[in-house]
Amino acid sequence: GAVVSQHPSWVICKSGTSVKIECRSLDFQATTMFWYRQFPKQSLMLMATSNEGSKATYEQGVEKDKFLINHASLTLSTLTVTSAHPEDSSFYICSAARGNQPQHFGDGTRLSIL
Amino acid sequence: GQQVMQIPQYQHVQEGEDFTTYCNSSTTLSNIQWYKQRPGGHPVFLIQLVKSGEVKKQKRLTFQFGEAKKNSSLHITATQTTDVGTYFCAGNTGFQKLVFGTGTRLLVSP
Repeated sequence: GAVVSQHPSWVICKSGTSVKIECRSLDFQATTMFWYRQFPKQSLMLMATSNEGSKATYEQGVEKDKFLINHASLTLSTLTVTSAHPEDSSFYICSAARGNQPQHFGDGTRLSIL
Repeated sequence: GQQVMQIPQYQHVQEGEDFTTYCNSSTTLSNIQWYKQRPGGHPVFLIQLVKSGEVKKQKRLTFQFGEAKKNSSLHITATQTTDVGTYFCAGNTGFQKLVFGTGTRLLVSP
């Protein structure tokens, strides 16, 4: 099946640091990549949708200057959490899809800001 | 905005008992998908339902899409300890954007 790799899987850093998370589709070209955030015991909340070569579309309430998304190619999207603070600590998950096919999820990144 | 609710939030069953989770969307869906997330893991795609009234089976799992395409259910027959996890439905309104349900956490005791 389709494989989506997310890196790193776990990050612990100090408040004020910027953190970059990579999402790669390993065996298919993803026309769309999605970024979700999941707080403990809660559902996945879509943060933004990105298409290769165009600006990401952010969901209401998600600060685009805080969560920078770059989708440079059909196999790579990055999410940068700028000047992270403890309230940004969460589980960040990317997914990738080709056309109208179901999304395939990465393993997620646990971000802890001290 | 669109909301997708699931009930129950949590269910604890004995191994061998059946389990059902129900999913309700505030808006009509083009399709609905179901995912399973194990503790500490990421969501794993289970199935997609597209047609009104559609029923699909995967071994002990039965998925149903309502006639109005606003609700869905997942039924597990004779649960096993390996079924433990949180089950999410996710509604697709036709723009490839999924709205995840609130999830049902299943715990199975041996």
